[in-house]
Amino acid sequence: ETGVTQTPRHLVMGMTNKKSLKCEQHLGHNAMYWYKQSAKKPLELMFVYSLEERVENNSVPSRFSPECPNSSHLFLHLHTLQPEDSALYLCASSQGSSGANSYEQYFGPGTRLTVT
Amino acid sequence: AQSVSQHNHHVILSEAASLELGCNYSYGGTVNLFWYVQYPGQHLQLLLKYFSGDPLVKGIKGFEAEFIKSKFSFNLRKPSVQWSDTAEYFCAVNSGAGGYNKLIFGAGTRLAVHP
Repeated sequence: ETGVTQTPRHLVMGMTNKKSLKCEQHLGHNAMYWYKQSAKKPLELMFVYSLEERVENNSVPSRFSPECPNSSHLFLHLHTLQPEDSALYLCASSQGSSGANSYEQYFGPGTRLTVT
Repeated sequence: AQSVSQHNHHVILSEAASLELGCNYSYGGTVNLFWYVQYPGQHLQLLLKYFSGDPLVKGIKGFEAEFIKSKFSFNLRKPSVQWSDTAEYFCAVNSGAGGYNKLIFGAGTRLAVHP
């Protein structure tokens, strides 16, 4: 248990559905991240939020829409996904977004997404 | 652009064998280096990290890694592996570029240890 929880753990959705992934951190961190983990590929950073403000969007398609209502919660809203979006989506948090203490990231267990 | 390269995608060892997993990165400036481990069905967790100082860093569960700046390398080692070390290992680098935390990961090395 890292102090970062994600729900749901598994999600199957059709290409026309709308769903949301939720991440919550109980560590008092103020930076949160979304990553995509696909088989045989490096983890891809999708979004970075620092103090509830998005500071990076790594050329992610608009069918992925993040939301960070406060420093403890992060959402990833999904709509009209494609089968190639099937992957493990990981959330992480860190103490800050810059400075030495910020560098260690704590990961949640991930949501295994399958798009049919 | 920064990148991280892990040389072996799959490694199979017998218990008590020695382990070395290669990691090279491309970035000319100051870096912070990490090894993360993902056990089957579990979340990614930090194994060890290098920020500065002694280039030989020790982590949890008997793992260590050596930062060799001239070779842009941060190889992970363990003298004697156990079956419980079966997992996927990820090398990552953070340069702090842009003023915020950004980890670049390698593709991972899947380690299987046989009893």
